[in-house]
Amino acid sequence: DAGVIQSPRHEVTEMGQEVTLRCKPISGHDYLFWYRQTMMRGLELLIYFNNNVPIDDSGMPEDRFSAKMPNASFSTLKIQPSEPRDSAVYFCASSPRGSAYSNQPQHFGDGTRLSIL
Amino acid sequence: GIQVEQSPPDLILQEGANSTLRCNFSDSVNNLQWFHQNPWGQLINLFYIPSGTKQNGRLSATTVATERYSLLYISSSQTTDSGVYFCAVLKFPGNQFYFGTGTSLTVIP
Repeated sequence: DAGVIQSPRHEVTEMGQEVTLRCKPISGHDYLFWYRQTMMRGLELLIYFNNNVPIDDSGMPEDRFSAKMPNASFSTLKIQPSEPRDSAVYFCASSPRGSAYSNQPQHFGDGTRLSIL
Repeated sequence: GIQVEQSPPDLILQEGANSTLRCNFSDSVNNLQWFHQNPWGQLINLFYIPSGTKQNGRLSATTVATERYSLLYISSSQTTDSGVYFCAVLKFPGNQFYFGTGTSLTVIP
C-alpha cells in the first residue's frame, strides 16, 4: 500500500508569497494530522482532522496559516503571506479509526522542507 | 499538555553494541509510539506500544504504563540505526500526540 504522500518535497520561496503544501493520506484512514518540525521547537501538532472535519487547530500559529480537507483523500496547508520564521519541515500523518478507548498508530509522510527567503 | 522527557539526549555507539533509550511521561496515557527519524528526515514507525513488550528484530520496546515510562532496546547496533529516536504519547479524549525531544543516536563502524 502507498503510504502518506506529501508534495512538494522541497519548497523555496520569497517572503510574502503564498505557499501551499499538499497531503494524500493512506486510503481508509479517518484521521489526518499536520505537524511542523524545527530545531528550536521540535515536532509540533498544528491541526488534525477527523472524517475531513477539523477537530483541533489550537496549534496553528496564526491567521496566516490555514488548512483544509475537502475530501478523504486530500488535504492542504496554506501559508499566506509566508515569513522566514515559517521555514521548517512540515509533516502530514494519518491514522485509522480506533475504538473508543484505543487509537491506531500514526503514519507519517516524508515531509515538505520549506525555506522562506 | 503532557511532558515527555527522553534520555539520553545524545548517544554514540560502536557498531555491534547494545543500548537502551528511555521515555518518561508526566501523566497516564492511552497510546505511545516510538519513531525513528533517519538522516533523510523520514519518520518511521517503530512500535505502537501503550503497554507491555514488543519485539521486532533487533529492536524491542517495553512500556510500563503504571510507572509512566517506556524503554526502547537496540541490540547489535548497525550504522543504519543512526538518527533520532522519538517517543510520542497521547491521552484521551484529545487526539494530540506529544513528542519528546528525541535521542540522537550515532553508530560508528
